[in-house]
Formats: sequence, C-alpha cells, structure tokens
Amino acid sequence: DGGITQSPKYLFRKEGQNVTLSCEQNLNHDAMYWYRQDPGQGLRLIYYSQIVNDFQKGDIAEGYSVSREKKESFPLTVTSAQKNPTAFYLCASSMEANTLLAKNIQYFGAGTRLSVL
Amino acid sequence: GDSVTQMEGPVTLSEEAFLTINCTYTATGYPSLFWYVQYPGEGLQLLLKATKADDKGSNKGFEATYRKETTSFHLEKGSVQVSDSAVYFCALSDRGNTGKLIFGQGTTLQVKP
Repeated sequence: DGGITQSPKYLFRKEGQNVTLSCEQNLNHDAMYWYRQDPGQGLRLIYYSQIVNDFQKGDIAEGYSVSREKKESFPLTVTSAQKNPTAFYLCASSMEANTLLAKNIQYFGAGTRLSVL
Repeated sequence: GDSVTQMEGPVTLSEEAFLTINCTYTATGYPSLFWYVQYPGEGLQLLLKATKADDKGSNKGFEATYRKETTSFHLEKGSVQVSDSAVYFCALSDRGNTGKLIFGQGTTLQVKP
C-alpha cells in the first residue's frame, strides 16, 4: 500500500535532548512538509521541501532542523533550542506537478506525539 | 497575510441532523480552497476541494461552495452519522507556487447516536 509512514507514534524528550522524527513515503512524491499541531491552533508549517537536497523554512522553523537526502525520506529533528516541543507532528507529501492544484493536495501520515519528560 | 477562520467547536449533533461548519478566508487573488478531515488518532485526509468561484466540491455526502463575494467555503452535510465525528479543517492554497496550505484552526464535530 502506498502511503506515508511516521515513526515513532509517541516520543518523549528529556531536557536538553535532540530528538528525530521519521517520515517516509512511497508515493513517489517530490514535495514533503512538516506541520505542528497544537490544540485549538490548527496546523502550522515548520519546514517544507520541494525537491531532494533542498528545503525551506515554514512559519515556525526556529528550534527545528530537517534534511532531504532521499526523495522518500524527510526527517525532522527537534533540537534543544525548541523550548516548547510538546505537540502533535504531522508529515505530508504532494506531487511536484505542473499544476498548483496537484501540489496542494497533500497526503498525511498518522503523526507523532511528542512530549517532554 | 492570507488566513482562514473557522467556527469554533465543538459542534455536537444528533445522528441524521444537518451540519454546517462555517469557513471564511482572507486572501489576495484566487486561491484554491480545501476541506480536510482528521479522524481520532490519525493524520488528515482531503475531503473535498474547489478551485474557482462558484465551484462546488463534494465527497461522501459533504458539500462546500466557493463563494467569492462572501469569501466563504462553508461545509455542509444533510444527514450526519456517528462515523462523521472528527476534526474538520478548512484550508487555502498559498499564493506562491509552492504547494503550501494555510489551515484554519479546525472544528471538532461530535455526532451522538
């Protein structure tokens, strides 16, 4: 089955620790996104990547880092600089097609819930 | 900047009731509009979309019409089921050619038997 796999489902971070959230897709999509979801605030874009070896900051990139070494993978690292990391993190992908509509149809993983110990 | 505003939830309905979830937007130009749904413990799924004024998106009994004059994209369903209980997000496409979406804050729907 084609889709997006996020792991782990639950993650706990200790003070001063960096943690990495995994996102893998087998949809052959070019573009990938990371969102943070907080109660009552909807989704906010952290980083996005339209092509391998390239990525751009979203609206709330501070305290986060990403890499895009392979088309299928877009891991997100929550660094110790992120002082309020507790949230639900969602990864998404979309086709890098010629039409903007195709790009806007995003497919989401099931999410990772990060908590601070 | 561009933004999306949804009605606050939770919205609680009895089974077979009529549903409306309001969504209004602020945008320059003519964005595409979307409704995504998030079932408990899952990621988001595209529910329906509309790309230009007066377009009606529909799927699984849900409908929404792109109203440019009122900058709205309200979600409706004639008869809700318990299985429709979820969080519903309205979104619009970002102005740049990036595929980015701008989401509203989400509206929780609870349907009781």
